[in-house]
Amino acid sequence: DVKVTQSSRYLVKRTGEKVFLECVQDMDHENMFWYRQDPGLGLRLIYFSYDVKMKEKGDIPEGYSVSREKKERFSLILESASTNQTSMYLCASSSVSGRAVNEQFFGPGTRLTVL
Amino acid sequence: AQSVTQLGSHVSVSEGALVLLRCNYSSSVPPYLFWYVQYPNQGLQLLLKYTSAATLVKGINGFEAEFKKSETSFHLTKPSAHMSDAAEYFCAVKPSGGYNKLIFGAGTRLAVHP
Repeated sequence: DVKVTQSSRYLVKRTGEKVFLECVQDMDHENMFWYRQDPGLGLRLIYFSYDVKMKEKGDIPEGYSVSREKKERFSLILESASTNQTSMYLCASSSVSGRAVNEQFFGPGTRLTVL
Repeated sequence: AQSVTQLGSHVSVSEGALVLLRCNYSSSVPPYLFWYVQYPNQGLQLLLKYTSAATLVKGINGFEAEFKKSETSFHLTKPSAHMSDAAEYFCAVKPSGGYNKLIFGAGTRLAVHP
């Protein structure tokens, strides 16, 4: 059974703290994604990675960075957390197979609250 | 830029009634389209996807969607709602280009009442 896991379901941090959100997939997928989900806005792409050590900015990268040192793990880093980063964070992965458009598989999400 | 619009942030139906969730997209080229469902406190799960084969796509849990190019629509339907269908539903489009990136709509929360 395919699986994407995220290190925490709920996280509470203080303004200015450095925050790490971890995501691990066991499907040997090349692509991995970080989204944030806010009511009325749907999912917005923060960053994605198409290979180890490769990354590209999504639609809202400001205030975030990412790291992908191993194929199965993709980390989202909030360098200095702010209250406007309180949100649900979702990780996803997908495979690459020629010209096929493959679905993304999602983790359960991390609800981050920044006080 | 490609975009997705979901009409109606909240939809309420009676158990056994037809479910219709609307999705319109903007795309200058034939798109790839997806419907995902999110149950409370869970991640997203794929319901179905359109990849330019048949225009009527059948998915899991009795859902289906029809691609209508002339209307730039990809509405999701289910003939008879169950209580277990209560969830948030997201329509998404894959922009042209690589990496399987998706653009999501704002979501529609479906409530099913007895």
